[in-house]
Amino acid sequence: ELKVEQNPLFLSMQEGKNYTIYCNYSTTSDRLYWYRQDPGKSLESLFVLLSNGAVKQEGRLMASLDTKARLSTLHITAAVHDLSATYFCAVASNFGNEKLTFGTGTRLTIIP
Amino acid sequence: NAGVTQTPKFQVLKTGQSMTLQCAQDMNHEYMSWYRQDPGMGLRLIHYSVGAGITDQGEVPNGYNVSRSTTEDFPLRLLSAAPSQTSVYFCASRVPGQTYGYTFGSGTRLTVV
Repeated sequence: ELKVEQNPLFLSMQEGKNYTIYCNYSTTSDRLYWYRQDPGKSLESLFVLLSNGAVKQEGRLMASLDTKARLSTLHITAAVHDLSATYFCAVASNFGNEKLTFGTGTRLTIIP
Repeated sequence: NAGVTQTPKFQVLKTGQSMTLQCAQDMNHEYMSWYRQDPGMGLRLIHYSVGAGITDQGEVPNGYNVSRSTTEDFPLRLLSAAPSQTSVYFCASRVPGQTYGYTFGSGTRLTVV
C-alpha cells in the first residue's frame, strides 16, 4: 500500500524567508503532483514531476523529485503573503495507474 | 470552457437517504475521479474512471457507486447516507499522458445528520 507523508504539517514563516516542504512516499511511482488549496476553495495544480532529478519552477516555488530516495521537495523562496495556503503532494501508485494517494498537506502561513 | 462543474455545492442529508453528486466536464478529459476531503486526512480516492464505461475503486469506495456512460459526466451516488460520509467531495479530470495534472471542481460540502 502506497503511503505518502508530508512534513511539516504546519509552517508559519516570515515574509522574505526561504523554506522547504518535504514529501516522502513508500513505493515506486511514475508521477508526483503538487497542488495548492486556499481555505474553502478547490485544488490548483502546481507541478507534475515525472523523472528522477526533475526540477520545475514557477515564480517563488520550485519542486524537485528524487525517485531513488522517494522524496520530493517544494521550496519557497523569499516568501510573500500570497503564498499562504495548504500544499499537497500526490503520488500515483503504479506506472500508468490513476490511483493517486495524497499527503495530508502542509498548511503554510506567511506572516508579514 | 466551464472546466469541471460540481452540483450541488452544499447538501444536508438525513441518515439513510440517498443522493447523487453530479460532476460534468467540458474539456473532453478521459480520466475522471472522485475524492473526499476530511480534516487532517488530505484527499482520499473514492472511485475513478479512465473512460466511458470503465470505472474502478479507489481507497474508500464503500457506500458509494459510480457509473460513466458518457465522457462528460461522472456522477457519484450515495446509497444510504451515514454520518461518516460527512465530508467535502471533489471531482477531478485530466487528459491521458503523464505530463498532465488533474483539474478539480469546486467541491460539494455534504453533511449527513
